[in-house]
This record gives sequence, C-alpha cells and structure tokens, in this order.
Amino acid sequence: NAGVTQTPKFQVLKTGQSMTLQCAQDMNHEYMSWYRQDPGMGLRLIHYSVGAGITDQGEVPNGYNVSRSTTEDFPLRLLSAAPSQTSVYFCASSYSEEYQETQYFGPGTRLLVL
Amino acid sequence: AQSVAQPEDQVNVAEGNPLTVKCTYSVSGNPYLFWYVQYPNRGLQFLLKYITGDNLVKGSYGFEAEFNKSQTSFHLKKPSALVSDSALYFCAVRSFPGGYQKVTFGTGTKLQVIP
Repeated sequence: NAGVTQTPKFQVLKTGQSMTLQCAQDMNHEYMSWYRQDPGMGLRLIHYSVGAGITDQGEVPNGYNVSRSTTEDFPLRLLSAAPSQTSVYFCASSYSEEYQETQYFGPGTRLLVL
Repeated sequence: AQSVAQPEDQVNVAEGNPLTVKCTYSVSGNPYLFWYVQYPNRGLQFLLKYITGDNLVKGSYGFEAEFNKSQTSFHLKKPSALVSDSALYFCAVRSFPGGYQKVTFGTGTKLQVIP
C-alpha cells in the first residue's frame, strides 16, 4: 500500500491564484481530513470527510473548499490564494472514528503564496 | 474548550539518557490522548495512544507515555534516547463522544538528542 499520498510536494502561488491540493489513500479509509501546520500553532483542522459525498468544516475552513466524490480522493481547493495561506498542508485518513482509530498522514504540501 | 499544552518548545538530552516530553490537556468528558512524531519534511507518524485501561501506555520505537488523570498530563518518555529520536513530537487530545472536529493538537516539542 502507498498509504496517503499528496501532490504537489511544493507549490508557489501568486495572490489571487487558485489551485487544488491532491490527496489520495489506498487503505479504504472512510475518514479523511485536511490540516494546516504553522509554526507555533500545531495542526489545525481545515475540513474533514466521514465518507464519500459527506464533508464538513473544521476549525479554519475559510478560503478552502473540499469535495469527496470517491472514498480514495479528497482534494483541497484554494479559491483565491492569500499570503495568510502560506503553510504546510497535511492530509490524513483513518478507518473509522468509533474505536478512536489513529490517523495516517501524508507527507505534506508546502505552499508559498506571494 | 479543550486544549493541549506542550510547555517546552525544545528538549535537549544526551544520547543514552532518559527523555521526557511533557503534555498537559484540558477536555470535558473522557480524554483520548495521542502522541505523534514528525521527522523533517515528513508527515506525522503515530507513536501511541491512551483510550482506557492501564495508565502506562507502550508505543513504537521504545516510547511510552503515562496518563495521569489528577494532573491531566500525558508525558512521553523513553528510558534511553537515541540520536535518531531527534524529531518534532506532537501531543493530541480528543474527547468521547466526538469526531475529527474535536481533535486538538499541541504546538509541538522539538527533541534534540545530542551524541
């Protein structure tokens, strides 16, 4: 299994540009989520999904959209990039939440917005 | 609101010495506690978790953590540090019942093991 994969690894955007961060998992996990990691702030939840077709907002959803058309994929869209969105983005997945399953994280995407 | 505190931004320890990375939490209801490790340019990797039962939890790579309900702490420990343990360590908490939206991560502690 490849686990959780993310593309691209690094991206530079100009303010106002849009882009999609890709996330895929091959473990048949129902639960997927997006976090951003900023210095001194730990990880903050952006959006999450409890299954195909079901998404919800996390702690910091503004400026981001998600969709979950398949179990495997959970892309994160930046509609109009802003410098405040410069961060490292992690996608994570887990089998279920019922038994407090641990999350598996992807390698991350470093985003720089100029 | 629930929270996690990792009071030390960095912990330095000599190779072979015991190490402790501190974590305290605040949550309503029963806490579920986790430790993750992050190596440079990598995603977080699960180390161990406390759900219920024995207060001493053993995890990957020889790490263990002790749950102390009265002190609301979940400190990460290892009897003998290795240089390869140098990484960023995150404590996380969630309450039950609760879903992903209820997970709170600490700000991380950088562990530096000195040869």
